[in-house]
Amino acid sequence: DVKVTQSSRYLVKRTGEKVFLECVQDMDHENMFWYRQDPGLGLRLIYFSYDVKMKEKGDIPEGYSVSREKKERFSLILESASTNQTSMYLCASSFRLYGYTFGSGTRLTVV
Amino acid sequence: GENVEQHPSTLSVQEGDSAVIKCTYSDSASNYFPWYKQELGKRPQLIIDIRSNVGEKKDQRIAVTLNKTAKHFSLHITETQPEDSAVYFCAASTRTGANNLFFGTGTRLTVIP
Repeated sequence: DVKVTQSSRYLVKRTGEKVFLECVQDMDHENMFWYRQDPGLGLRLIYFSYDVKMKEKGDIPEGYSVSREKKERFSLILESASTNQTSMYLCASSFRLYGYTFGSGTRLTVV
Repeated sequence: GENVEQHPSTLSVQEGDSAVIKCTYSDSASNYFPWYKQELGKRPQLIIDIRSNVGEKKDQRIAVTLNKTAKHFSLHITETQPEDSAVYFCAASTRTGANNLFFGTGTRLTVIP
């Protein structure tokens, strides 16, 4: 069973801090994704990666960056956290044309 | 890019009744349509999916139908049970390299015992 693990379940950070959200998958999936989930807006894609060191912007990349130095790890970086980045962040991975496996999510609060 | 619309946003049904959730998509190149169920406080889980060469797929009480001409697909849950209460997301994937999914905004289904 594929496991996608997000390092933190809850995070509270201050405005202006640099924030790192980590995601690790254990099934050698090529594709990894970061979404944010907000009430009424569903799941919105921030960034995705289809290979090591490769990344593509999603629908809402502003204020975020990502890093994929190893195949199993995909990091989301908030360069300077702002209150409008308070949200649930979901990482997912997939293999080719198959459905995603999601992590448990990180609920980030920026104060 | 792809745009997926999902309706209704909330749905309440009596236990034992059927529930139907509908989605439309914009990109005719989309060829993969999964449905995810997210229970309160948990991660979204894939419950059923359909590919563009199939019109209908069933798995016990759950079925998905696809109309490629009209660009819409639907989730049908029969004999609903309280444990079906959750948020359901539809999604569509285009033929881009990473096969990223475009999600609908979700439907909160409540099954009333």
